[in-house]
Amino acid sequence: QSVLTQPPSASGTPGQRVSISCSGSSSNIGRNTVNWYQQVPGTAPKLLIFRNSQRPSGVPDRFSASKSATSASLAISGLQSEDEADYYCAAWDDSLNGRVFGGGTKLTVL
Amino acid sequence: EVQLVESGGGLVQPGGSLRLSCAASGFMFTNHAMTWVRQTPGKGLEWVSGIDTGGTGTYYADSVKGRFAISRDNSKNTVYLQMDSLRAEDTAVYYCARNMKSDLDYWGQGTLVTVFS
Repeated sequence: QSVLTQPPSASGTPGQRVSISCSGSSSNIGRNTVNWYQQVPGTAPKLLIFRNSQRPSGVPDRFSASKSATSASLAISGLQSEDEADYYCAAWDDSLNGRVFGGGTKLTVL
Repeated sequence: EVQLVESGGGLVQPGGSLRLSCAASGFMFTNHAMTWVRQTPGKGLEWVSGIDTGGTGTYYADSVKGRFAISRDNSKNTVYLQMDSLRAEDTAVYYCARNMKSDLDYWGQGTLVTVFS
């Protein structure tokens, strides 16, 4: 059971907009910044979003994210086949004194 | 170019030990805390351990506390994970990652640890 809760799957057709939610608590998302990672099967995770909504250089602006209270969400607009991957949210947890991840959401581009 | 290269994974019996290494290059190693994260085959990510820039502050997940030890050698730009009393549930791909404040911004390619009897 992951500390952060994500839907196990999401899907969309090319060009659509999809959102992935991440639910936490006051000890993690409520107090600390949220990251999002993209993982193509067989490869290492890649930082997609840092500090709740910031994109590293090279990440397309089709990817956006937000945080409110103890939840966060990732949105992907103009969906492309290359976006098919697993997406994870993460945050530091002050109660556990450790980093916590969501269980991951498998995005399928139909 | 930032590079993190893990090594040291392999097959080990329950109760055995392994030491993972992560060699860093392409950045000022002493400026960054470092982290180990693992991923069970087909499953999600699990934070394992972190270490501060000087090596004096270390953090562990409850699942590995007392069995794993993280350390770093800043003269060699390398971070280590000593894993003792290994269990079947420790079987996973182990990634090292660079901390950029509260974020893990670069990850290595991972090294597979398999604990089997």
